[in-house]
Amino acid sequence: DTGVSQNPRHKITKRGQNVTFRCDPISEHNRLYWYRQTLGQGPEFLTYFQNEAQLEKSRLLSDRFSAERPKGSFSTLEIQRTEQGDSAMYLCASSPSGESQETQYFGPGTRLLVL
Amino acid sequence: GENVEQHPSTLSVQEGDSAVIKCTYSDSASNYFPWYKQELGKGPQLIIDIRSNVGEKKDQRIAVTLNKTAKHFSLHITETQPEDSAVYFCAASRSSGNTGKLIFGQGTTLQVKP
Repeated sequence: DTGVSQNPRHKITKRGQNVTFRCDPISEHNRLYWYRQTLGQGPEFLTYFQNEAQLEKSRLLSDRFSAERPKGSFSTLEIQRTEQGDSAMYLCASSPSGESQETQYFGPGTRLLVL
Repeated sequence: GENVEQHPSTLSVQEGDSAVIKCTYSDSASNYFPWYKQELGKGPQLIIDIRSNVGEKKDQRIAVTLNKTAKHFSLHITETQPEDSAVYFCAASRSSGNTGKLIFGQGTTLQVKP
């Protein structure tokens, strides 16, 4: 399967714990996005990477959230001191450079439940 | 700020009928409009997209129309089948000189009754 992959698929944690999610984009896609989706809503943009550079962060991304893409390939999203309001589906998407750069392909998501 | 409104929130049709979902956007600089289908427990799957230099695009039973003046675009599904049942999201972005982040609508739950 050459699509976007995300791990883990599900995560249950207790309030106050730290969690880290991983995204592996489609090979050679240099653009990578993180979105958050709560129940019954559309995905909301969190942050964007072009290669290893983080070029935009949403106001939704509080200082408890940090994302990295150290070698311009896979990316990680860490949430520190989780709160119940962080419970959501975290989606990763990637897109190629060039003519089709707008076309984003999504992974299956990581569903986070904070107890 | 940037906003995309999507209607209806739920849509129930009989198998074989057509389904239409409508979206309006606020950012006049938006130039790319994809539609995604999301099944339970899965990530959004791109089903069709349209760019602002085109008024209509069709792919088998699915078509999208764009009215830039009115800032709205629509998804049309003909000859619906039970497997079309899912949540559909419209989105908008502006790609030139921008990150290309997608602004999504609230979603439409489509139920196709056999």
